Amino acid sequence: KNEVEQSPQNLTAQEGEFITINCSYSVGISALHWLQQHPGGGIVSLFMLSSGKKKHGRLIATINIQEKHSSLHITASHPRDSAVYICAVRSYTGNQFYFGTGTSLTVIP
Amino acid sequence: GAGVSQSPSNKVTEKGKDVELRCDPISGHTALYWYRQSLGQGLEFLIYFQGNSAPDKSGLPSDRFSAERTGGSVSTLTIQRTQQEDSAVYLCASRLPGSYNEQFFGPGTRLTVL
Repeated sequence: KNEVEQSPQNLTAQEGEFITINCSYSVGISALHWLQQHPGGGIVSLFMLSSGKKKHGRLIATINIQEKHSSLHITASHPRDSAVYICAVRSYTGNQFYFGTGTSLTVIP
Repeated sequence: GAGVSQSPSNKVTEKGKDVELRCDPISGHTALYWYRQSLGQGLEFLIYFQGNSAPDKSGLPSDRFSAERTGGSVSTLTIQRTQQEDSAVYLCASRLPGSYNEQFFGPGTRLTVL
């Protein structure tokens, strides 16, 4: 049983397309994170959310606490957005983080 | 401005040998995490250190795994009698105290057990 589920697992888009990656979780959380991992590269934190919506450049993250669901949107996608996007939640009952298996995004020029 | 650093970046070892992986967190970050990322798998929590509190070891997969954090800074993850299934990327992350501070990840150590 996975505490965090992401969809889709793989996503290919044409440059300029609007992209949505979804994350659902089953545990009570204190915060949700969206992470980005480039091939052969390290992990970078994109957003940390506990409610509502955050925007950074072409990236938008939303969370619905009641529905235990979050979405990451990329507007006007670009090939440099190609990476694995990982949803992670911190359980409010402890120190543990639970991770989704990631969504592999490829943006084609 | 140093981020989280890890060493070595790559480690190849033979089955049965012990390995030590090192993490240098960002200065002032009292919280430190170790994670494992196996090929094709998601990140897996291993252990969490917060200041001088007893570490949360609930994610360690077996008693062959242990970790220390000396002086509240550098941490070492030790795997004894390595097995092939231990092959993975081991990631360290640190953050400031408080539930709402983001984690900063190191580049990872890729461990290959032959």
